[in-house]
Amino acid sequence: DIQMTQSPPSLSASLGETVSIECRASEDIYSNLAWYQQKSGKSPQLLIYYASSLQDGVPSRFSGSGSGTQYSLKISGMQPEDEGVYYCLQGSKYPNTFGAGTKLELK
Amino acid sequence: EVQLVESGGGLVQPGRSMKLSCAASGFTFNNYDMAWVCQAPKKGLEWVATISYDGSSTYYRDSVKGRFTISRDNAKSTLYLQMDSLRSEDTATYYCARLGTILDYWGQGVMVTVSS
Repeated sequence: DIQMTQSPPSLSASLGETVSIECRASEDIYSNLAWYQQKSGKSPQLLIYYASSLQDGVPSRFSGSGSGTQYSLKISGMQPEDEGVYYCLQGSKYPNTFGAGTKLELK
Repeated sequence: EVQLVESGGGLVQPGRSMKLSCAASGFTFNNYDMAWVCQAPKKGLEWVATISYDGSSTYYRDSVKGRFTISRDNAKSTLYLQMDSLRSEDTATYYCARLGTILDYWGQGVMVTVSS
């Protein structure tokens, strides 16, 4: 199975600060990587797919990058509504696997 | 508007069975593969199973192989998850999700509690 190592486990950011979350795959996943935001008590919402494509309706302050085994999500200018838990997902091989999550809070 | 609405959860004893349903609307159901993802209380997300658009192919995580069955009724635009021989570690919120380029739309989730 492909292991997804996500870091950091938690993060606290000030309003307007730029934050980055990383995911490392145990093997090449050929950019088959998505990022999700989950707010408390809600279902996950897709932010980024194919490593860098922005899902319709997602603010442009969210961006994704990476290739091979290394991927990152950047939020350029933290907003209060960005609080939540962020997960990466590899869709390259079954079983699809998620990162353990990053809890993002507003400082 | 894409909508996925799960139902069928609740409290069940270990070793018993439960069947979840996911009613889809707002898109052409039989054009998409579909999946179930679970989340144990206060834990992360885990992919459970995927079924192809026509039901001809299915994929499962190892821990549910032989116990869970994913299926679909394209005439009813409904996805199912039959869960047999349930264990306490199956306690989770179960989400159905549409597989576009990736899992792009998710339902609100349904809670399954396995306990005596």
